[in-house]
Amino acid sequence: DAGVIQSPRHEVTEMGQEVTLRCKPISGHNSLFWYRQTMMRGLELLIYFNNNVPIDDSGMPEDRFSAKMPNASFSTLKIQPSEPRDSAVYFCASSFRDRDLINQPQHFGDGTRLSIL
Amino acid sequence: AQTVTQSQPEMSVQEAETVTLSCTYDTSENNYYLFWYKQPPSRQMILVIRQEAYKQQNATENRFSVNFQKAAKSFSLKISDSQLGDTAMYFCAFILTQGGSEKLVFGKGTKLTVNP
Repeated sequence: DAGVIQSPRHEVTEMGQEVTLRCKPISGHNSLFWYRQTMMRGLELLIYFNNNVPIDDSGMPEDRFSAKMPNASFSTLKIQPSEPRDSAVYFCASSFRDRDLINQPQHFGDGTRLSIL
Repeated sequence: AQTVTQSQPEMSVQEAETVTLSCTYDTSENNYYLFWYKQPPSRQMILVIRQEAYKQQNATENRFSVNFQKAAKSFSLKISDSQLGDTAMYFCAFILTQGGSEKLVFGKGTKLTVNP
């Protein structure tokens, strides 16, 4: 089975540019999560969706960050304009939340290493 | 607030030996899951093992086992017969169940090096 697929794997761009990170969750999963990993702050949850609806975006650092999930098989995380301090590894994860609302393990993509110059 | 603490930033072990990584957490809830994730240099986040808080029996997955002490809010990971491929960052994580938060709260991680 295909896992969570993220693209691009690496992104290098100049500050001020718009950056779009993409994620395809595992088919059948109904929850999707965006994380940011840095040396200083570790792994931080930015936002998560349940059934394509954003549930909690309290981890989104600033208005420069936005995330969408137009359908069950695709999500984007956009940074506009980007800044050097946004440099990090961004992970997407998905899971299945069943009718009993039992949380199943989250499966992670390989991450996007973002470098803002 | 739910927090996860990993007090050992780095550890090392000789190949074939056993190592234990510590993790403590804080929550007022009674039903939750605990996880250990492994992140090798390839950067993937791989689920190693999980434990349901309502289960008293410690979870085991091949060479990986946990020592879950609910009253002490402790969730350590034991790796037996360490292999070179076990070299990675290990993250302890916590999530509520039964309609609780979807948020997976991670510790800062422990960097484990297995030496030949």
